[in-house]
Amino acid sequence: GDSVTQMEGPVTLSEEAFLTINCTYTATGYPSLFWYVQYPGEGLQLLLKATKADDKGSNKGFEATYRKETTSFHLEKGSVQVSDSAVYFCALSLLSGGYQKVTFGTGTKLQVIP
Amino acid sequence: GAVVSQHPSWVICKSGTSVKIECRSLDFQATTMFWYRQFPKQSLMLMATSNEGSKATYEQGVEKDKFLINHASLTLSTLTVTSAHPEDSSFYICSARGQPGETQYFGPGTRLLVL
Repeated sequence: GDSVTQMEGPVTLSEEAFLTINCTYTATGYPSLFWYVQYPGEGLQLLLKATKADDKGSNKGFEATYRKETTSFHLEKGSVQVSDSAVYFCALSLLSGGYQKVTFGTGTKLQVIP
Repeated sequence: GAVVSQHPSWVICKSGTSVKIECRSLDFQATTMFWYRQFPKQSLMLMATSNEGSKATYEQGVEKDKFLINHASLTLSTLTVTSAHPEDSSFYICSARGQPGETQYFGPGTRLLVL
């Protein structure tokens, strides 16, 4: 079946460090790819998305490029802030049974220290 | 972006009681709503998908008689946890989307604690 694999956390970085959270996927079709962020005690918020190969999603300084050849969608940010501390979920969406079914990775906790 | 709300955000109940959680799309019509369950330090697990006016489609392993889902209008879906037990304690998150292919928007979640 479809699946998403993320690097295990937690990831601890100092403020202004470079961030990479790896994400790879397996899918039976041609999925759309997403990164969601979950701040403590809150629900998920869509961070960015890409719907086709070589698309780059970006938001709030975060970027991820849809790489079909490596089935990856790694999340990057050049300079993290304490406020970026959260859990990040990689996800894919595929049409299944007439609706878009979203499959999530297990999440990667990011902790940014001052 | 589109806004999805959930109510209540927190609920504590006694074992054996039923709890209803509401999910509303505030500024768009949600043709389809999804209910997820999230265990601590784990990912979201899809419980069921509901289309407005139709019966919900439950994922394998989810008891439909225990988790009653109603999607009576284009802006409201409810999840009722019947005869709740401590093992039902979890974080329940709904999401909604307009038309097929559109982005899902997530609610803030409801934390349920069954004593």
